[in-house]
Amino acid sequence: DVKVTQSSRYLVKRTGEKVFLECVQDMDHENMFWYRQDPGLGLRLIYFSYDVKMKEKGDIPEGYSVSREKKERFSLILESASTNQTSMYLCASSFYSGGAKDGYTFGSGTRLTVV
Amino acid sequence: AQTVTQSQPEMSVQEAETVTLSCTYDTSESNYYLFWYKQPPSRQMILVIRQEAYKQQNATENRFSVNFQKAAKSFSLKISDSQLGDTAMYFCAFMNTQGGSEKLVFGKGMKLTVNP
Repeated sequence: DVKVTQSSRYLVKRTGEKVFLECVQDMDHENMFWYRQDPGLGLRLIYFSYDVKMKEKGDIPEGYSVSREKKERFSLILESASTNQTSMYLCASSFYSGGAKDGYTFGSGTRLTVV
Repeated sequence: AQTVTQSQPEMSVQEAETVTLSCTYDTSESNYYLFWYKQPPSRQMILVIRQEAYKQQNATENRFSVNFQKAAKSFSLKISDSQLGDTAMYFCAFMNTQGGSEKLVFGKGMKLTVNP
């Protein structure tokens, strides 16, 4: 089975902290994505990456950055966490040109609370 | 930009009944893909069904089928013989593959409850 693993299921951080959310996939997927999920807003794309060291902004990149040093790992970074970044964060991956055929494979999400 | 609209935030249905979830989308592209994802309380997003826009035949997967109306830009999901395990959030999603981009654009989701 394809697996996308997010390092933490629940996370509580303080305002102003630098926060790292980690995502690892084990199926050699080229594409990796970070979404944010909020009630009534659905999933919104923060950043995505098609290859190592490559990244592109999604629809809501403000306050976030990403890192992809290895193909299997895609990290989301909150440079200075704020309470409005309290949310569920979902990581996903797919083969290049495979997303249309197979959709994405998602991780189980990290529920981040910033206090 | 593409948008996906799910106008019903919440629905409930009795076990064994049939329920239809609505979804509309907006795009100027001619070739694209549509998806329904299910997110149970475990939070794991699961692909339920996909439809290729250039195929006129509606996709089916066991108890799940879609009614794809390309001209109306409508993509509804029908769940037959509803089961308790169908209780979940359901998201409609759109993918435009022009230019190699494979970003999924999601609707706001709909909470489905199947009652015993």
